[in-house]
Amino acid sequence: DAGITQSPRYKITETGRQVTLMCHQTWSHSYMFWYRQDLGHGLRLIYYSAAADITDKGEVPDGYVVSRSKTENFPLTLESATRSQTSVYFCASAGTATYEQYFGPGTRLTVT
Amino acid sequence: QQQVKQSPQSLIVQKGGISIINCAYENTAFDYFPWYQQFPGKGPALLIAIRPDVSEKKEGRFTISFNKSAKQFSLHIMDSQPGDSATYFCAASSRSTNSGYALNFGKGTSLLVTP
Repeated sequence: DAGITQSPRYKITETGRQVTLMCHQTWSHSYMFWYRQDLGHGLRLIYYSAAADITDKGEVPDGYVVSRSKTENFPLTLESATRSQTSVYFCASAGTATYEQYFGPGTRLTVT
Repeated sequence: QQQVKQSPQSLIVQKGGISIINCAYENTAFDYFPWYQQFPGKGPALLIAIRPDVSEKKEGRFTISFNKSAKQFSLHIMDSQPGDSATYFCAASSRSTNSGYALNFGKGTSLLVTP
């Protein structure tokens, strides 16, 4: 029972490079979310998805792209990484029965 | 603009004491208020949640108190233990938006329970 997993757990990349963070859930939850966590800001929503092929922007979407071709996967791509995108990224999922959100273990991304 | 304001930023409580963390919100459309607990290096874990049709919810040593008229809610940890030392986040979401209850988080409270 893996639940929700993220990969990689740690990533160092250079400014301007493209990087993709992966998220996979085994619950068949309809909803998936990407948040970033920064000191002094708490967690902020980047993008969310209500179902396969349905995505929408959250509070801080600039510089990020998402896709959801399969219900269980929700990758987050930084098309041209900037230092301001250094953060810890959390993926979460929720079913429509309770809407309770369950979080993955996070990816710590450093952009040099 | 922070939609959920959380205080205090940090809290030190002696073992056996009561830890109290407060949150306030402005958006009256919010109708789901969860609390998350996060240990270093881990993802946030759902601790307890409340909806505005009740004023209090208790699960073990954890209690949420909700005041709809004041637009405030709080987490009480009774008989606090060193293992409760973690960062706690309050959050709020609205069923009226088609966002699957996307959460608006407070900035977090770092709780330290001393032996």
